[in-house]
Amino acid sequence: DARVTQTPRHKVTEMGQEVTMRCQPILGHNTVFWYRQTMMQGLELLAYFRNRAPLDDSGMPKDRFSAEMPDATLATLKIQPSEPRDSAVYFCASGPGQGQGSPLHFGNGTRLTVT
Amino acid sequence: GDSVTQMEGPVTLSEEAFLTINCTYTATGYPSLFWYVQYPGEGLQLLLKATKADDKGSNKGFEATYRKETTSFHLEKGSVQVSDSAVYFCALSNSNSGYALNFGKGTSLLVTP
Repeated sequence: DARVTQTPRHKVTEMGQEVTMRCQPILGHNTVFWYRQTMMQGLELLAYFRNRAPLDDSGMPKDRFSAEMPDATLATLKIQPSEPRDSAVYFCASGPGQGQGSPLHFGNGTRLTVT
Repeated sequence: GDSVTQMEGPVTLSEEAFLTINCTYTATGYPSLFWYVQYPGEGLQLLLKATKADDKGSNKGFEATYRKETTSFHLEKGSVQVSDSAVYFCALSNSNSGYALNFGKGTSLLVTP
């Protein structure tokens, strides 16, 4: 059963440190999305890619967040420097890009705690 | 812009009770509508979807009908089980947002024996 794989599952770091989260989308999926989940804001879209090209990253704080797809099997989300308000669960999702009726498949998330 | 509004939880029900979780949306054009479920410590899983007006999505005893006239996609189940305890998210996808999902805030459901 194909699934989206995210690493690490948990990350605890100190304020000011760099954090890198990784995602392996489902093979053959050409769209990749990064979401952030917090109790207060719910699920927020941070960025998304199609065929490895960034389409929209307007949901990300540009000064500290960056998202890339070095190749079709890896997407990364980096925070530098991290701040306590970045504490959240970060989800990666991928989809086949076959129209708006195509569901997204989510990984189990990276739970980030910044102290 | 597009948005999804869900009833706030938590919702607490006894086993075998009837479930309704309300969801309404605002969108241009003809979005697709989804319900996702999230169990503790896990990612979101697709529960059901509907891609056009009057479509009914169904899965595992859950149903939702795409009502364009009332811009709604309410989730229902006739008899809930303890294993249905989870957080439920209503979402829409529209061609003008690159097929990204726009989620509601989520509704927590607790089913007691």
